[in-house]
Amino acid sequence: GESVGLHLPTLSVQEGDNSIINCAYSNSASDYFIWYKQESGKGPQFIIDIRSNMDKRQGQRVTVLLNKTVKHLSLQIAATQPGDSAVYFCAEKGGSQGNLIFGKGTKLSVKP
Amino acid sequence: GAVVSQHPSWVICKSGTSVKIECRSLDFQATTMFWYRQFPKQSLMLMATSNEGSKATYEQGVEKDKFLINHASLTLSTLTVTSAHPEDSSFYICSARPGTSFLETQYFGPGTRLLVL
Repeated sequence: GESVGLHLPTLSVQEGDNSIINCAYSNSASDYFIWYKQESGKGPQFIIDIRSNMDKRQGQRVTVLLNKTVKHLSLQIAATQPGDSAVYFCAEKGGSQGNLIFGKGTKLSVKP
Repeated sequence: GAVVSQHPSWVICKSGTSVKIECRSLDFQATTMFWYRQFPKQSLMLMATSNEGSKATYEQGVEKDKFLINHASLTLSTLTVTSAHPEDSSFYICSARPGTSFLETQYFGPGTRLLVL
């Protein structure tokens, strides 16, 4: 079936370094992707999104890259801070009612 | 703007009882709300899609008679876990989508942690 998955379940980085979180998706027809941040015990928080007619989109300290050829999505966080520590999910908009299909998640730990 | 609340934030109940969880869009109207369940260290799994004024659409494997969803207004959807058992213990999260377009972003609530003893 359709699925969105992640390459790395955990990622540990030093404060100030850049972080890259990866995601693979299987539905080549998907046209909208979102990255969410989820802190412990909280709901997902929207970070950034990208449509399939783009291959890169930048926000504040974050960049999402989309490679449709290999069905790969990545989230880059510049100058990672302790407050960035969380689980990051990629999500694909799919389904008959536009519901989100979530990947497995990557836990980002930032070492001071 | 675009705030979604859930109540309660956590609940402990005895096995066999029913628990109701509310999801409210505070500053926008949501024709569609979604209910997710998340087990520890796992991803969010969609349980059902709730449309105002109509029956909810349940994902495969989710018992509609056990997880009752009511979307009575454009700002409120409720999930009732009937005859709860310990295996129903989980983190339940709702999201709400403004407007009627599938292109609208979903906004998530803070989640409700359910513990069934």
